Amino acid sequence: AQSVTQLGSHVSVSEGALVLLRCNYSSSVPPYLFWYVQYPNQGLQLLLKYTSAATLVKGINGFEAEFKKSETSFHLTKPSAHMSDAAEYFCAVFSGGYQKVTFGTGTKLQVIP
Amino acid sequence: EAGVTQFPSHSVIEKGQTVTLRCDPISGHDNLYWYRRVMGKEIKFLLHFVKESKQDESGMPNNRFLAERTGGTYSTLKVQPAELEDSGVYFCASSQEQYEQYFGPGTRLTVT
Repeated sequence: AQSVTQLGSHVSVSEGALVLLRCNYSSSVPPYLFWYVQYPNQGLQLLLKYTSAATLVKGINGFEAEFKKSETSFHLTKPSAHMSDAAEYFCAVFSGGYQKVTFGTGTKLQVIP
Repeated sequence: EAGVTQFPSHSVIEKGQTVTLRCDPISGHDNLYWYRRVMGKEIKFLLHFVKESKQDESGMPNNRFLAERTGGTYSTLKVQPAELEDSGVYFCASSQEQYEQYFGPGTRLTVT
């Protein structure tokens, strides 16, 4: 089976502070990992993906994530939060054995001025 | 290049009625997926088409849901008859490589 756990359904940070959104996965085979973002009233947008190349993955809007196999984690970070980062973020896993993407429950990020 | 489009963006229907959601994938993408997010819960896989064939429909909740993909192009998802628990956001995605899926904006379905 494959699964994703996102710790914290709501995260609040001050503008300019570090953003850290946590994601742990479970997969019986080497996975592909993703972070998607959904801005209000919009669809899902791919932020970044890990596909077994570099373990530190850089995405759009200054976000990055590090794949840590030993910790089965793929946490999303951004050094300095911007008001426009307020959105819901989804971690997701795809493994070849299941041929489908499994999502976490999502984390709503609030940025406080 | 146009992205994945979905129609309608919102639909409000009464319990027992029928609703049909449409998805137009990115041109040339053989893989098409439907997902659903019920309020406050995770986005869940419903089914996967490869061209016009259903590859995996293990996520379809019950036989009130019928998905089709005519000629391997656009897809429709029909709910008949709709129940209250069918409310949620229905996402469509398409891909060439199965793991890199591009999502549409979703259709918000409200059943009253």
